[in-house]
Amino acid sequence: DPKIIQKPKYLVAVTGSEKILICEQYLGHNAMYWYRQSAKKPLEFMFSYSYQKLMDNQTASSRFQPQSSKKNHLDLQITALKPDDSATYFCASSQEGTAYAEQFFGPGTRLTVL
Amino acid sequence: GDSVTQTEGQVALSEEDFLTIHCNYSASGYPTLFWYVQYPGEGPQLLFRASRDKEKGSSRGFEATYDKGTTSFHLRKASVQESDSAVYYCALSEGNNRIFFGDGTQLVVKP
Repeated sequence: DPKIIQKPKYLVAVTGSEKILICEQYLGHNAMYWYRQSAKKPLEFMFSYSYQKLMDNQTASSRFQPQSSKKNHLDLQITALKPDDSATYFCASSQEGTAYAEQFFGPGTRLTVL
Repeated sequence: GDSVTQTEGQVALSEEDFLTIHCNYSASGYPTLFWYVQYPGEGPQLLFRASRDKEKGSSRGFEATYDKGTTSFHLRKASVQESDSAVYYCALSEGNNRIFFGDGTQLVVKP
């Protein structure tokens, strides 16, 4: 059974619209993360949460807003979508939010903005 | 700022060849170093990590040694198999839980 679920697997959106990417982890972890992988850039850290609190934010744009409704959920809301937002978005989790902790990655959501 | 440089963008080998992927890092402190592997359609998965100078990480025949003097963490495997074909990422984390990834190296192993 998959331990980190990301929904949907593929997503197509039009410029200016808003979408929510879903992430649920069933590993009992306390820290969760979002990363982005695009054709132009390598895997890029976006956010980290620990015990449902924001720990680190490396995303300059406020159009990206994580939402943690439950301990094992960390969704990503993206507003006013742009073609440059097209990428695969990976959710990850770790037991604790420390530098040494192994981060486990989900299968990703591939977002295409037209 | 922290960064990771992988020299090779793509490596093409035949089965049983020796593999080296070069990784150099830049960090202000004493980072934890990682090698991740990513297969098509999947997220990255940890191969192994090392957190102190001269520590060797290893898994599935792959290994790398943390070298603070040369700021390197080169990935090596003595004999690659076709099933090793994937993208390999060198990465670091320092003081927090943010991971910085290199650009990745596409490994293609021909039978």
